This record gives sequence, structure tokens and C-alpha cells, in this order.
Amino acid sequence: DGGITQSPKYLFRKEGQNVTLSCEQNLNHDAMYWYRQDPGQGLRLIYYSQIVNDFQKGDIAEGYSVSREKKESFPLTVTSAQKNPTAFYLCASSRDTPSPLHFGNGTRLTVT
Amino acid sequence: AQSVTQLDSQVPVFEEAPVELRCNYSSSVSVYLFWYVQYPNQGLQLLLKYLSGSTLVESINGFEAEFNKSQTSFHLRKPSVHISDTAEYFCAVSERDAGGTSYGKLTFGQGTILTVHP
Repeated sequence: DGGITQSPKYLFRKEGQNVTLSCEQNLNHDAMYWYRQDPGQGLRLIYYSQIVNDFQKGDIAEGYSVSREKKESFPLTVTSAQKNPTAFYLCASSRDTPSPLHFGNGTRLTVT
Repeated sequence: AQSVTQLDSQVPVFEEAPVELRCNYSSSVSVYLFWYVQYPNQGLQLLLKYLSGSTLVESINGFEAEFNKSQTSFHLRKPSVHISDTAEYFCAVSERDAGGTSYGKLTFGQGTILTVHP
């Protein structure tokens, strides 16, 4: 079955360390997205990519970086510059527009 | 810029009762509208969508939503809820240009936690 795989499910890091969250899809979708979810705030867009080797900042890109070297992969790096990195991170993809998003099961990042 | 407001952060109901989860949006252009459901520690799943055509859209598990352009609303309803409907529900909007393209950028509401009691 096709889908989106996010790994790991839980991730713990010390403050000051960079950490990379993995997102892989086998749906052959062109567009991929990273959202951050905090309780009571819904989902906020961090970065998105509509095509390989191209990506755009979302609403809360500061302290994050991404790459899109392959169609299937869209890793997110949470850098030490992100002031409040503890959150639930969701990766999504879509075939085209206005197709709905398909979501992975998320990575819960805890930074102490 | 688009925005979405879900008017209730929590909605408790008894099993077999009707429920309405409210969603209002703000946008200067035409939009696509979505409802997603999230179970604990999981990603979001599409519940239903409005792209064009009939303003009343239905899901396979008994939910329906009606697009009301004049009131800029997309409320979600179910006439009789089950325990298994307990989850968090998100309304989302995507703006579209004259060609119908939206680029998939969704703006989400804050979420409504639906709790169904026996």
C-alpha cells in the first residue's frame, strides 16, 4: 500500500542540537509539506515543495531547513535556532491541486 | 491572507445525539474547503471536501458539511454520533486562483475535540 512514512515516531534531543526528521512517500506525489502541530493551535505550515529541488517557506520557517533532492523524500531539520522546537511534526503530500493532502503519522519531538 | 476559525475547542455529546462542529473562514478569493479527523498520536485523515458543485458534501461514515458562501462557513454535522467518532476535527481552507489552482497550501483551524460519551 502506498503512503507516507515518518520516522522516528518519538525523538528526544538536548537543547542546542540539530535534529533531522525523515519523511518518505511512495505515492508518486509531486508536492510535499511539513506542518507543526501544537495543542490548541491547529497545524502551521513550515515548508513546502511542489517539485524536486525547489521549496518555499511557509508561515513559521524560522529555525527550520529542508531539502528536496528526490521526489520521494522531504527531510526536515530542526536547528538550534528554533526557540521552541518541542512539538508534533506532520509531513504530508499531494498529487496535484486541488487534491487533498495525505498525512504521515507524525514525529513527536521533545527537546530538553 | 486566508484564515480559519473553529468556534468550539471542545464539544462533548452523548452517543446517538446529533452534533455540529462549526467552522468559519476568511478569504478574499474563492476557496476549497476540507474537514480532517485526527485520532490520538496519528496523522490527519481526510473526512470530506468541497471543491465545486453541490454545496452539501457527505462522507462515507455519515458526516456531512455545507458550504455557505454568504456566511463564509463550512459546518460539519452528523445526525447520530458513535463512541468511535471521538477524535479531533480540523477545518482547512485553500485559496484558488482564476485557473482553479491552489498549490495545496492549506490553512487549518485550531481544531475541535469531539468527545462522545456512552
